[in-house]
Amino acid sequence: EIVLTQSPGTLSLSPGERATLSCRASQSFSSNYLAWYQQKPGLAPRLLIYGASSRATGIPDRFSGSGSGTDFTLTISRLEPEDYAVYYCQQYGSSPLYTFGQGTKLEIK
Amino acid sequence: QVQLVESGGGVVQPGRSLRLSCAASGFTFSIYGMHWVRQAPGKGLEWVAVISYDGINKYYEDAVKGRFTISRDNSKNTLSLQMNNLRAEDTAVYFCAKSRGGGYNSPFDYWGQGALVTVSS
Repeated sequence: EIVLTQSPGTLSLSPGERATLSCRASQSFSSNYLAWYQQKPGLAPRLLIYGASSRATGIPDRFSGSGSGTDFTLTISRLEPEDYAVYYCQQYGSSPLYTFGQGTKLEIK
Repeated sequence: QVQLVESGGGVVQPGRSLRLSCAASGFTFSIYGMHWVRQAPGKGLEWVAVISYDGINKYYEDAVKGRFTISRDNSKNTLSLQMNNLRAEDTAVYFCAKSRGGGYNSPFDYWGQGALVTVSS
């Protein structure tokens, strides 16, 4: 089973700052099948990034994904008030088994 | 627009059963794989099960294998999760989610609002 480890656990930043979230896999998986989701309290997750770097429909271009192999990054170039949430990475390359990271909470500093 | 609406959640005693449903609309349900994902209170996301577009192939995480059954009715655009022999650790919000593509190597592009299942005596 592929284990995804996200860091940091909590990230405290001010609006306008740049956020960098990390996701590290315990082993490589196929073709960068790595996604990022945003979840706000009481709501369902929302797909942000798939294929490690492709933005999902309707996602602002301040969100970008990068990485390959076992190390992946989600970057939010300039934080907006609505970006404060929990972010999860997910691998779907060893499907039909899917795993999520434990999440990074992005909070207002 | 794509909509996924779960129903059937509630409070159930350990060892009992519960069936969740997910009504889908706004897309061609019969050509996409569908998933159940759960989230225990205050915890992260945990994938539970997937069913292929035609309902033939089904896969489960180890913790629910043999107790949960995923199914679908493409004539009614409905996804279901039959949960038997429930345990306290199954307490969670259960989300249905749509696969972005036709195969298994796809992320989940639409999610329902979730249904809370509480297993308690």
